[in-house]
Amino acid sequence: EPEVTQTPSHQVTQMGQEVILRCVPISNHLYFYWYRQILGQKVEFLVSFYNNEISEKSEIFDDQFSVERPDGSNFTLKIRSTKLEDSAMYFCASSETAAKNIQYFGAGTRLSVL
Amino acid sequence: SQQGEEDPQALSIQEGENATMNCSYKTSINNLQWYRQNSGRGLVHLILIRSNEREKHSGRLRVTLDTSKKSSSLLITASRAADTASYFCATEAKTSGSRLTFGEGTQLTVNP
Repeated sequence: EPEVTQTPSHQVTQMGQEVILRCVPISNHLYFYWYRQILGQKVEFLVSFYNNEISEKSEIFDDQFSVERPDGSNFTLKIRSTKLEDSAMYFCASSETAAKNIQYFGAGTRLSVL
Repeated sequence: SQQGEEDPQALSIQEGENATMNCSYKTSINNLQWYRQNSGRGLVHLILIRSNEREKHSGRLRVTLDTSKKSSSLLITASRAADTASYFCATEAKTSGSRLTFGEGTQLTVNP
């Protein structure tokens, strides 16, 4: 069964460093998403991406964040200068269409900012 | 209350019993979805119910949706120890594109 894959599974970084979280969405999906889940809290939407551009973003997704689809398979989330409060589990998701919006999630990348 | 709130927050039952979890939300929705999350793992999609549907079944899962009360319930019948996980409802609002808004989740423990 096709699945969304995320790498790395765990990323440790120093405050102020840049990190790139990588995702390979399901191959025939057109819509891509990033969510995050701070430990013990609910899953929060960050950004959605379609047709090589951001279609929607939340108030969390400030100038420190960016997304990119550098090739036909990868979808990345970059945090330019990490803060302690960026420590969370980051989930990538993809869906086939917006109308049939079943979002399939990856296993997540745990980001620890020290 | 916030969009997508589940109750109870935690539920502990014996294997073979049924588990019912509830979700309330605030805005008009296109659909409501239930996801499962095993500890420290990713989210697994369970079932989607559209705003014009009232009930949906999938295996041992039964989901109801009452748009007049802005609430949904997830029933897991004949529970198994492997059903132990956190369960989240997530709504796709009519006015917010395709983003999903998740609730706080219900932690279900099924004791063997």
